Amino acid sequence: GAVVSQHPSWVICKSGTSVKIECRSLDFQATTMFWYRQFPKQSLMLMATSNEGSKATYEQGVEKDKFLINHASLTLSTLTVTSAHPEDSSFYICSVRKSVAGGSNQPQHFGDGTRLSIL
Amino acid sequence: SQKIEQNSEALNIQEGKTATLTCNYTNYSPAYLQWYRQDPGRGPVFLLLIRENEKEKRKERLKVTFDTTLKQSLFHITASQPADSATYLCALRSNDYKLSFGAGTTVTVRA
Repeated sequence: GAVVSQHPSWVICKSGTSVKIECRSLDFQATTMFWYRQFPKQSLMLMATSNEGSKATYEQGVEKDKFLINHASLTLSTLTVTSAHPEDSSFYICSVRKSVAGGSNQPQHFGDGTRLSIL
Repeated sequence: SQKIEQNSEALNIQEGKTATLTCNYTNYSPAYLQWYRQDPGRGPVFLLLIRENEKEKRKERLKVTFDTTLKQSLFHITASQPADSATYLCALRSNDYKLSFGAGTTVTVRA
């Protein structure tokens, strides 16, 4: 069964709208979750690492005020795209990895992604 | 800069044949390498992990090799089936423990 639940799967909205995407870890507690963005025929690009109970760590070039991340519990992280514009249209995917000793060697489990289209 | 290159954007093969995908990397010293499958409109699904001290790993009809001298991994799908049609991504952990992905190779298996 699914390890990660991501909602919504598809969003179409007007420019200037803020959009919230939820990512839930179903099988285990995740102190760390990852948010990726993928443009057509391109690789997944890591946007930020979401840390439970603390601030997210953003990759270079990703605006933290534009992409707000909240990781309030061990099973839920949210990504809010604030004042979205057409150039923010993309496929957003969250991922979790088991928080165990040597966890960085664990495979990552991905949600089914959110297709965001800004008109 | 660090790079992960999957040198074929697309691969078309006949059912029953073996598909071989290549992943080359530069400026990484990975302890392991991972392969994922991604279907259209879906998130990636983990397939295999191979460690630096493993030359080869198998899972059902899948086989992965890892050559740290050549800085290359090969991913084989044997006895391919139309259901194997998907995009396959290789991934490496960078020194800061983050997973980076290649752009993927889209495999199409013809019946």
